[in-house]
Amino acid sequence: EDQVTQSPEALRLQEGESSSLNCSYTVSGLRGLFWYRQDPGKGPEFLFTLYSAGEEKEKERLKATLTKKESFLHITAPKPEDSATYLCAGERGSTLGRLYFGRGTQLTVWP
Amino acid sequence: DGGITQSPKYLFRKEGQNVTLSCEQNLNHDAMYWYRQDPGQGLRLIYYSQIVNDFQKGDIAEGYSVSREKKESFPLTVTSAQKNPTAFYLCASSGWRGETQYFGPGTRLLVL
Repeated sequence: EDQVTQSPEALRLQEGESSSLNCSYTVSGLRGLFWYRQDPGKGPEFLFTLYSAGEEKEKERLKATLTKKESFLHITAPKPEDSATYLCAGERGSTLGRLYFGRGTQLTVWP
Repeated sequence: DGGITQSPKYLFRKEGQNVTLSCEQNLNHDAMYWYRQDPGQGLRLIYYSQIVNDFQKGDIAEGYSVSREKKESFPLTVTSAQKNPTAFYLCASSGWRGETQYFGPGTRLLVL
């Protein structure tokens, strides 16, 4: 069964305290791994797509990495405005467009 | 501005009533999707469409119906057969299946 699991469910960080969010997947023939940010009551906002193990992508304080079994979203020196729920989703290569989402990690950064 | 619009932002449904959620995009995207999000749950796919006049069921299609008469529009009807419709509904679109999906702002459906 295709599945994406995110951990931890919730994470509280002090401003400037770096950490990582985990996304483990068992999606058959993974074609792409997607990261989104979602603010309360809003639609998800696209962050990154990773396609192959070893790939890394960065955007401001965020860096996403991918291995054959999991992906990490590293947050360096976070600020309160980074507080949000971060979602990851895997796409199976044989069924393009079918994303399997994890439940998300709710990140809170306090000053 | 290019983007995806969903309306209304909030929708109230009475028992036995069908309601329709609107989704419009001006990104010239071919593929469109409907997801349902429940508290503490991941997004679950309801229906998707790759091309006008064609659509496929997702993982939780029972109690829902869609149409795709125009490239820009993909309305979702929540029928009276859907016994637990309270949720946050998200529409997304992509240039083609397999490309990045971009989401609209969502519609929150509540039952009176």
